[in-house]
Amino acid sequence: NAGVTQTPKFQVLKTGQSMTLQCAQDMNHNSMYWYRQDPGMGLRLIYYSASEGTTDKGEVPNGYNVSRLNKREFSLRLESAAPSQTSVYFCASSEGQGRGFGPGTRLTVT
Amino acid sequence: KNEVEQSPQNLTAQEGEFITINCSYSVGISALHWLQQHPGGGIVSLFMLSSGKKKHGRLIATINIQEKHSSLHITASHPRDSAVYICAVKGGSRLTFGEGTQLTVNP
Repeated sequence: NAGVTQTPKFQVLKTGQSMTLQCAQDMNHNSMYWYRQDPGMGLRLIYYSASEGTTDKGEVPNGYNVSRLNKREFSLRLESAAPSQTSVYFCASSEGQGRGFGPGTRLTVT
Repeated sequence: KNEVEQSPQNLTAQEGEFITINCSYSVGISALHWLQQHPGGGIVSLFMLSSGKKKHGRLIATINIQEKHSSLHITASHPRDSAVYICAVKGGSRLTFGEGTQLTVNP
């Protein structure tokens, strides 16, 4: 089993460009999450999906959209990237006591 | 004040030392997680606790619900334990994360 996979691993965007971060899990988890990690701060929740067909805003949703495509896949879209969105992004999934994290996407917006 | 506070922020130890990382939180929780983030960035879940103590190999995690405090202990530390250790508390459906403790174990 691959666990939680994310693509791409690295990305450089210019201000105003758009992109979608892809996430997939093969652990049959219902809940999926997108976090960002910035220096000196804990992981912060952007959006989450408690189950297929539902999505909810987290702490820092502005500038992002998500799609829970099916039980396995949860994508994060930046419609118009800004330098403040330079960060490392992690996808995660959970079910009961089980929890997995993706390897992270390092995004730089210039 | 953050809802989850970890101490110390940075910790350097010699191989073989006993290590303690602390986590205090200010909100009601249903569970507490300890995570390890490797130098390459990957995050691994170490423990989920709602009471008492759990042990896995050289790692021990304890939680005191009344005092809103948890500790992560590493016995006989090794350079491969060098990583960021993150405490996260579960209240409702979400996790709130501490900033992490950077541990370096020197040979």
